[in-house]
Amino acid sequence: KQEVTQIPAALSVPEGENLVLNCSFTDSAIYNLQWFRQDPGKGLTSLLLIQSSQREQTSGRLNASLDKSSGRSTLYIAASQPGDSATYLCAATYSNAGNMLTFGGGTRLMVKP
Amino acid sequence: GAGVSQSPSNKVTEKGKDVELRCDPISGHTALYWYRQSLGQGLEFLIYFQGNSAPDKSGLPSDRFSAERTGGSVSTLTIQRTQQEDSAVYLCASSRSYNEQFFGPGTRLTVL
Repeated sequence: KQEVTQIPAALSVPEGENLVLNCSFTDSAIYNLQWFRQDPGKGLTSLLLIQSSQREQTSGRLNASLDKSSGRSTLYIAASQPGDSATYLCAATYSNAGNMLTFGGGTRLMVKP
Repeated sequence: GAGVSQSPSNKVTEKGKDVELRCDPISGHTALYWYRQSLGQGLEFLIYFQGNSAPDKSGLPSDRFSAERTGGSVSTLTIQRTQQEDSAVYLCASSRSYNEQFFGPGTRLTVL
C-alpha cells in the first residue's frame, strides 16, 4: 500500500528560525512529489513540485529535496516568519497509479513573533 | 489568470437529499481531480479525469457518489441520498496532464 507520512503533526518555532518539515513515502516508484500550504478554512496552495528525476527545487525561502532511495522528502523554510504559520502537506504521485495525489497527514506550523 | 473555481463554497443539506458540487478547472488543463478532506480521514482521492479517457473512479467511497465532466472542462460531483459521514470539504484540482496540480477553494458540505 502506498502511504505518505509527515512527522511531526505540529511544530512551534520562534520567528527567524530555520526549520525542516519531513515527509516519508513507502513506494520508491514515485513519479513526483508536491508540497502544499493550507491556511485555515482555505484550499491548498502549491509551493513546490519535485519530479522523480530531480533532487531539489527552490522557491524564495523554500527548498524542497527528494531522496527516492530513502523514501524521504524535506521542506526547508529559511528565516521563518509569522506569516508562514499554516499546515504544510506533502503528496506523492506514483508511476503505476495514475496521477492522483496520495497525501500525508500534514504538519501544522506555528511561527511565534 | 483565473484559478480553479468551485461552487457553492458552502452547502448545508438534510440527510437523504442529493447534492451537486461544481468545479471549473484552469483553462487548458486536461486533467481534473476530486478529493475529499475530512477530520478523521485527512485528504483522500475520489475521482480523476484525463482528457477523453474513461475516468479513474477508484477512490469513490460508494455508489452514491458519481461525477461527470462535460466538454473536457466543467465537472460536477453528485452525491445521492447524503449521509452524515459525507460531511467534509470537497476539493477540486486541475493540471496539465501529469504535472503540478492546482486546487480550488473547496466546497464545505454539511449534512444534518
